[in-house]
Amino acid sequence: NAGVTQTPKFRVLKTGQSMTLLCAQDMNHEYMYWYRQDPGMGLRLIHYSVGEGTTAKGEVPDGYNVSRLKKQNFLLGLESAAPSQTSVYFCASRGGTGPGYTFGSGTRLTVV
Amino acid sequence: QQQVKQSPQSLIVQKGGISIINCAYENTAFDYFPWYQQFPGKGPALLIAIRPDVSEKKEGRFTISFNKSAKQFSLHIMDSQPGDSATYFCAASIGGTSYGKLTFGQGTILTVHP
Repeated sequence: NAGVTQTPKFRVLKTGQSMTLLCAQDMNHEYMYWYRQDPGMGLRLIHYSVGEGTTAKGEVPDGYNVSRLKKQNFLLGLESAAPSQTSVYFCASRGGTGPGYTFGSGTRLTVV
Repeated sequence: QQQVKQSPQSLIVQKGGISIINCAYENTAFDYFPWYQQFPGKGPALLIAIRPDVSEKKEGRFTISFNKSAKQFSLHIMDSQPGDSATYFCAASIGGTSYGKLTFGQGTILTVHP
């Protein structure tokens, strides 16, 4: 019972490079979310998905893309990384019956 | 646009004391108010939550107080312990077609001294 697994845990990128963060959940949850956490700003929603094949923009979507080709996976992509995207990224999932989120352990991304 | 404002940013409490963290919201459509606890290097974990039809909810040493008219809610940690040292986030969401998207406060770093 892994819950929500994020890979990688740490990554350093150069400005302009691209990368994909992977989120996998084994709870058969419908809803999945990507948040970024920055000091003093809490967690801000980047993109979310309400089911396989669906995605939608959150509060801070610029510079990111997402895909949910399989129900258990939610991918977050950075096409051209910028220093402003240095952050800790959290994926979360939620079942259809309850409002509580299950979070992954995060990906710490540094863009230099 | 910060729809949920949390204070204080940091809090230091002695072991056995009471920790109080406050949050205020603007959107009256919010109908679910959880608190999350986050330890270093970990993701946030649901601690306790309340809906606006009750004014207080208690689970062990943790209590949420909710004031609908003032659009405020707070977390009280009784008999605070060093193991409670963590970052705490309040949050709010709207049911229905908002798909449970949580709006978080800025977070409070709680330190409990032994």
